[in-house]
Amino acid sequence: QMQLQESGPGLVKPSETLSLTCNVSGGSIGTGSFYWGWIRQPPGTGLQWIGSIFYSGNTYYNPSLKSRVAMSVDTSKSQFSLKLSSVSAADSAVYYCARHRGSGGRYYMDVWGKGTTVTVSS
Amino acid sequence: EIVLTQSPGTLSLSPGERATLSCRASQSVSTNYLAWYQHKPGQAPRLLIYGASSRASGIADRFNGSGSGTDFTLTISRLEPEDFAVYYCQQYGSSPPYTFGQGTKLEIK
Repeated sequence: QMQLQESGPGLVKPSETLSLTCNVSGGSIGTGSFYWGWIRQPPGTGLQWIGSIFYSGNTYYNPSLKSRVAMSVDTSKSQFSLKLSSVSAADSAVYYCARHRGSGGRYYMDVWGKGTTVTVSS
Repeated sequence: EIVLTQSPGTLSLSPGERATLSCRASQSVSTNYLAWYQHKPGQAPRLLIYGASSRASGIADRFNGSGSGTDFTLTISRLEPEDFAVYYCQQYGSSPPYTFGQGTKLEIK
């Protein structure tokens, strides 16, 4: 059974870069037609899709975050990563990684991690 | 960007009752590309429904999705104690960004 696990610092200073990694177990990240992505949930608000990446490196990003987001994938380690630059308090959230299933740029999330809380504060 | 509005915000019901959750889109969702998720505190969200009405693997048949265009519904026919959670809809019919509704909290009455 596939499992995803997020990891990374729980506290990031304003203006710095948030870096998270998602470790994938129970399956290969480098096969199939899945994308791998990130979703976040700020306190008291709903879910916001951040972006996704294919094992080849092709990406989709949320236009509202695109200028600050970079994703990468390491198939040898079965991991993919998120970097969000120039963070502010508004970026404090629970960050989830998820496998994206679908095709043609249209994906839903069929396997999720449990999430990791990131707080932006000095 | 398609905005999804879920109603009600909170639904108070008893085990054994029927739950009806609504998700309305600001514009038509292409090819009914709409999914529903269940989320419990501290747990990973769980996919329930995709393609508006297809049940995900391992999901009990008391969960049913329906609807098309701009109006979608998740129905839980007979509530079990483990069904009390927050439910989100998500559209993936348009080019990214994929968007989610704000959620419906299903609580025990």
